[in-house]
Amino acid sequence: QKEVEQNSGPLSVPEGAIASLNCTYSDRGSQSFFWYRQYSGKSPELIMFIYSNGDKEDGRFTAQLNKASQYVSLLIRDSQPSDSATYLCAVNMNSGGSNYKLTFGKGTLLTVNP
Amino acid sequence: GAVVSQHPSRVICKSGTSVKIECRSLDFQATTMFWYRQFPKQSLMLMATSNEGSKATYEQGVEKDKFLINHASLTLSTLTVTSAHPEDSSFYICSADREDYEQYFGPGTRLTVT
Repeated sequence: QKEVEQNSGPLSVPEGAIASLNCTYSDRGSQSFFWYRQYSGKSPELIMFIYSNGDKEDGRFTAQLNKASQYVSLLIRDSQPSDSATYLCAVNMNSGGSNYKLTFGKGTLLTVNP
Repeated sequence: GAVVSQHPSRVICKSGTSVKIECRSLDFQATTMFWYRQFPKQSLMLMATSNEGSKATYEQGVEKDKFLINHASLTLSTLTVTSAHPEDSSFYICSADREDYEQYFGPGTRLTVT
């Protein structure tokens, strides 16, 4: 069974702090990794994707990928109350032939306290 | 950005009736679209992968005769829940694959079966 694991939280950080969200995956052949943000009652919104080992920065967000450790993380700098949401890690896992699908973790609930 | 729409956003129907949900990619063509279901406080569960011009690929445990998927064009996929029952009440979300396996989600359809 190919899996994506996330700490369900809740993760609580004060406003202005760095929030660190972690994700591990089981399929060593995975090539693409995504972070989505989902507000309560809404659909997921793509925040970042990363394909290569190392860091990728976009504004206050930094994604980190370590394929050897099968680990991907998301750092949110200068956290704001509006960042409070569930963060979903998704991994592109080949489902056979030319098909692929995203396998989602269960998400980490982040709360940023004013 | 990549915009995906869904219609309707909310629907209430009586048990035994059928409901059709539309998913459109508005500013890009999507060879592949995906249909997910999300129950309260749970993660996204992939129901099926829809490829334009071919039959959908259903995930294990999803009844293909109950959840009919049609992907007639590169910008439109539909999901029909046939003979709906209260246990089908859920948040149905589609996504479209723009390129490089990036999936963009529609806003979701909240289905309530009474």
